[in-house]
Amino acid sequence: GAVVSQHPSWVICKSGTSVKIECRSLDFQATTMFWYRQFPKQSLMLMATSNEGSKATYEQGVEKDKFLINHASLTLSTLTVTSAHPEDSSFYICSARLAASSYEQYFGPGTRLTVT
Amino acid sequence: AQSVSQHNHHVILSEAASLELGCNYSYGGTVNLFWYVQYPGQHLQLLLKYFSGDPLVKGIKGFEAEFIKSKFSFNLRKPSVQWSDTAEYFCAVNGKNTGGFKTIFGAGTRLFVKA
Repeated sequence: GAVVSQHPSWVICKSGTSVKIECRSLDFQATTMFWYRQFPKQSLMLMATSNEGSKATYEQGVEKDKFLINHASLTLSTLTVTSAHPEDSSFYICSARLAASSYEQYFGPGTRLTVT
Repeated sequence: AQSVSQHNHHVILSEAASLELGCNYSYGGTVNLFWYVQYPGQHLQLLLKYFSGDPLVKGIKGFEAEFIKSKFSFNLRKPSVQWSDTAEYFCAVNGKNTGGFKTIFGAGTRLFVKA
């Protein structure tokens, strides 16, 4: 089946620093990837849609200058949390769509970010 | 507001009990429906999906779900749960009216199965 990986699986950083999270589709090419945020005991909230070779589309309320998304290749999308604050601490999950016409997504294992 | 609603936030069952988790959505038009499971410490896995055809969908691990269009529902069922079914279950919907086929998730139902 389609496999999506994320790196790192967890990261601790200090306030004010930036953190990059990678999302890779291991055995398929993904023209579209999605970034979600999951707070404890809550559901997944879509942050942005990442399209290969073009700018990401951010959901309302998500600061695009704070959460930088780059989808430079068909197998890699990165999310950079800039100038991180403790309130950015969360579980970040990416997913990839198998094909442009597919409604199905495959999820990565998530990255737990803790900002101290 | 348009949404995906899961009625039960926490469910506790004994092994061999039957399970039904409710899911209702409020998006009109053609929709695609999913149930995902997240085991403790693991990533989301697809349990089953409905795109079209037979409204009774069978998934992995003995789960099934029934799409009832008139009720905007897609309830998840399993006749006999096992301890290993302890997990969080998410209903999700996408379609033209979710905003360009974005997938919208329900709040999740945390299931605990007592051995």
